Amino acid sequence: AQSVTQLDSHVSVSEGTPVLLRCNYSSSYSPSLFWYVQHPNKGLQLLLKYTSAATLVKGINGFEAEFKKSETSFHLTKPSAHMSDAAEYFCVVSDRRGSTLGRLYFGRGTQLTVWP
Amino acid sequence: NAGVTQTPKFRILKIGQSMTLQCAQDMNHNYMYWYRQDPGMGLKLIYYSVGAGITDKGEVPNGYNVSRSTTEDFPLRLELAAPSQTSVYFCASTSGQGRTGELFFGEGSRLTVL
Repeated sequence: AQSVTQLDSHVSVSEGTPVLLRCNYSSSYSPSLFWYVQHPNKGLQLLLKYTSAATLVKGINGFEAEFKKSETSFHLTKPSAHMSDAAEYFCVVSDRRGSTLGRLYFGRGTQLTVWP
Repeated sequence: NAGVTQTPKFRILKIGQSMTLQCAQDMNHNYMYWYRQDPGMGLKLIYYSVGAGITDKGEVPNGYNVSRSTTEDFPLRLELAAPSQTSVYFCASTSGQGRTGELFFGEGSRLTVL
């Protein structure tokens, strides 16, 4: 069975400080993992994805995530937060099997607040 | 590029009424999805489709129906609306090529059932 746990429902940081959003997953297959961002009253947008290539994945807006199989984690980081990063972030796992697109399972989301 | 377009953006229904949420995409994507988003619960899959004429249930299909007569359109039908269906509904699509899995989302339809 596939599942995703986002360890923090809310994270607050000051502008210019590092961001860490934590995600653990479970998957019966070699997973594909994603981070999506949702700004207020908008749809979700893909931030970055891991699909069995390099374990350190770089995304848009300076975000990156590291796939750690031994820890079943896929934490999202950014060295320096901007006010525009304030949004809700979702960690997502896909139960892909070979080349077949699998169903996506969403975490409950982490609300990131950035203080000036 | 229009991408994924959802209508209406907002709707208030009375208990027992029915309505259809429209979703259209112009990217020639085979895969389309309907999710509902409730506060603090992430997104739950209602129905999905892997191509015209093919649909299947997701995690929370009860109270909903879908159809996929064309590649572009994937409407979601709510029959006999209930307060538990108050939510934000998102339509999404993807080409399904390889293992990319990137979904393209509409901006959502906020439904309130009173």
